[in-house]
Amino acid sequence: GAGVSQTPSNKVTEKGKYVELRCDPISGHTALYWYRQSLGQGPEFLIYFQGTGAADDSGLPNDRFFAVRPEGSVSTLKIQRTERGDSAVYLCASSFAPGARETQYFGPGTRLLVL
Amino acid sequence: QQQVKQSPQSLIVQKGGISIINCAYENTAFDYFPWYQQFPGKGPALLIAIRPDVSEKKEGRFTISFNKSAKQFSLHIMDSQPGDSATYFCAASNPHDYKLSFGAGTTVTVRA
Repeated sequence: GAGVSQTPSNKVTEKGKYVELRCDPISGHTALYWYRQSLGQGPEFLIYFQGTGAADDSGLPNDRFFAVRPEGSVSTLKIQRTERGDSAVYLCASSFAPGARETQYFGPGTRLLVL
Repeated sequence: QQQVKQSPQSLIVQKGGISIINCAYENTAFDYFPWYQQFPGKGPALLIAIRPDVSEKKEGRFTISFNKSAKQFSLHIMDSQPGDSATYFCAASNPHDYKLSFGAGTTVTVRA
């Protein structure tokens, strides 16, 4: 079956611009996670959705970052006033049920480069 | 701050050899320890996971060893193959949380 898909695969933007990153989870998965992976580092948690609501957004670095999942399926990560330090790979993962012990299936990521 | 410390940063092993990656943690609330494998341009994929009620778990050529008192766990890749060349991440989570805390990763290169 189809895995987690993310679009775009690459995004180049200029400092100060707004970007949206999209995640399509595996069909039927209720839990959705966003992580950020900087070069040479492991993924860092950003936000977790159970259904439509953000159950844990403690990893969002500041208020320039926001994510939505309006219908409990597709999610969009939004970054306002991008900064060069936002350059990273943004990974989306989904799991059938909530909980870290549930296998999280990752998408290929969106590589964001802020010039 | 990184809650899971992983070493080495990279390693090179000959085909047929053993790759060993080590991780250490401080948070005693952690009770689930997965390992993820990531190929270039792909997202991480779950390889194998262990809970602290067992000291070892083996799946094929991959074995996790867990030392609860030392707060350390390791991944052994036996009979390493060129197809095992990838970046490996250890991770941990606690029962009251949904997120995984990842190590910094180990890039494994298997030479034919």
